Amino acid sequence: SQQGEEDPQALSIQEGENATMNCSYKTSINNLQWYRQNSGRGLVHLILIRSNEREKHSGRLRVTLDTSKKSSSLLITASRAADTASYFCATDGTAGNKLTFGGGTRVLVKP
Amino acid sequence: NAGVMQNPRHLVRRRGQEARLRCSPMKGHSHVYWYRQLPEEGLKFMVYLQKENIIDESGMPKERFSAEFPKEGPSILRIQQVVRGDSAAYFCASSPSQGARTEAFFGQGTRLTVV
Repeated sequence: SQQGEEDPQALSIQEGENATMNCSYKTSINNLQWYRQNSGRGLVHLILIRSNEREKHSGRLRVTLDTSKKSSSLLITASRAADTASYFCATDGTAGNKLTFGGGTRVLVKP
Repeated sequence: NAGVMQNPRHLVRRRGQEARLRCSPMKGHSHVYWYRQLPEEGLKFMVYLQKENIIDESGMPKERFSAEFPKEGPSILRIQQVVRGDSAAYFCASSPSQGARTEAFFGQGTRLTVV
């Protein structure tokens, strides 16, 4: 199975609600990153959290990392219709040669 | 500073033809990655290149696929004798430093359709 598995696969919420998605991975990492992809477009980097960090904020985004459980979560607060997209976590692995992506969480924010 | 530029955005090829996908990294970036994405799936790593060197090609199919990043010009992903299963979106990313230690910047992708 993949390094980096997101849960849930799909999420539908109302505008203004919070959206939480999780990512689990299998091997040791140096960092974990979250990306957003709008339909038919390229990926946009959201946030990078290093293995020695536990929590990081960026605007309405909050990312946590638990290396003992090999898991991370992405919280989007006060969601907007424009947040509708697929969200992917990606890990680098100790070799750091490449990012390995999970299957993504498809988020639909209804106005 | 232009972002990562991929062309063409859409490419249609008949089975057996060759597909050439081009990627110009961001200015100052010397590390390029190619990923493939099937509909409703995540990105699958294909190859990591630095100028004139292939660093990691562990995700490349053994046959028909090749990649290069010459000293001058864009990185090229080449698929020979395409088959229907090659239909996918191919994304290129670049970064300023080694591997995945920092943020990667993605292009808009090339959507390859094999008919």
